[in-house]
Parts: sequence; C-alpha cells; structure tokens
Amino acid sequence: EPEVTQTPSHQVTQMGQEVILRCVPISNHLYFYWYRQILGQKVEFLVSFYNNEISEKSEIFDDQFSVERPDGSNFTLKIRSTKLEDSAMYFCASRATGADTQYFGPGTRLTVL
Amino acid sequence: DQQVKQNSPSLSVQEGRISILNCDYTNSMFDYFLWYKKYPAEGPTFLISISSIKDKNEDGRFTVFLNKSAKHLSLHIVPSQPGDSAVYFCAASAPLTGANSKLTFGKGITLSVRP
Repeated sequence: EPEVTQTPSHQVTQMGQEVILRCVPISNHLYFYWYRQILGQKVEFLVSFYNNEISEKSEIFDDQFSVERPDGSNFTLKIRSTKLEDSAMYFCASRATGADTQYFGPGTRLTVL
Repeated sequence: DQQVKQNSPSLSVQEGRISILNCDYTNSMFDYFLWYKKYPAEGPTFLISISSIKDKNEDGRFTVFLNKSAKHLSLHIVPSQPGDSAVYFCAASAPLTGANSKLTFGKGITLSVRP
C-alpha cells in the first residue's frame, strides 16, 4: 500500500542552525501539507502546498519557514534559523485530487538544543 | 482556539466491549470529519471519515456518527481489541476550495483496551 515517507526520523540541531525535513508524498497525490505536534499538545497545521505554491499557511509558518518541491517526488520543509520552541514532531501529509482524506507520514522528531 | 474538542483525555474499556470516543466542534463551516489513530513515535493513521451529508459511516468494527445540530461526532469500536490501544484524534476540515482543506485536530483521547 502506498505511504508517505519522511526523513530523517530524528534530527538534533543547535539553535540558530538551518534544518531541512524531507517528505516523499504518495506518488499520485498533488496536495501536500506540513503539520507539527509539540510534546503534549495537539497536531497543528503549518502549511498546504499545491501546484508549486503555498495555498495556505498558519501563523506559525513565519519567514523562518519555507517549503519546496525540488523534484517530482520530494517535498521539503526548511527552517532557516531554528529556535528552542521549534522542537516538535513534524508530519508531512498528502491528499489525492478530488479526495478529502489526508495521509500522514511517520514524522520527523526535531530537537533543538 | 479549540474548534475541535475532545474533552475526555483517556478511556479504558474491557476487551470485547464497545469503545465510544466523543468529539465536539464549534466551527459550523466544517463539513468533513476524520478519525486518526496514533501510536507513540508514529504518524497519525487514517481510520474512518464522514461527510456532513451523512449521519453514519461504518467500516468493519468502526462506526462514526455525526450529529450536525449538536456539532458532535463519535467513534464506536465494537468489539474493542487490545491492539486498538492508541491515541485517537478527531479532525475536521472546511469545504474544499481549490487546494485548501487544512485539518483542525482535537487534543486526542488515549484509549486503553484491557485484556
């Protein structure tokens, strides 16, 4: 069964460093999303992406964040200068055209020291 | 901003019995609702969904009921099995408009099924 994959599973970085989280959405999906879950809190929407541009972003998704689809399979989330409060699980999701269900990857645990 | 509320943080049931997980929402624009199951250190796994034009959707042991007037939905698991022990998230989205349809999640309910 097709699934969303994410790498790395765990990323440790120093505050102020740049990180890139990678996702491979399900192959025939065209709508992509990033969510995050800070420990003990709810899953929060960050950004949606379609047709090579951002469709919607939340207040969390400030100028330090960016997304890109560098090729036909990868979808990345970049945090330019990480802060301690960026420590969280980051989930990528994708959705097929005409469908309502989003399918999630296993997540990347980001730890900012 | 709790547009999706799962007020009970945990639920414990005996194996073989029914598990009923509740969810309330406040945004009347939501028209699609989903339940996800999550194990520790894994991503949310889609379980079942329901559109606002329906009041019930069933898939094997899982049934979701939607009461639009009460802005309430519930997930029934019958019979409950120990492997169902996980965190269950209720999520909702507003009408699809182009490429939107972000999901708004509740805080989750931890279900424990006792053998």
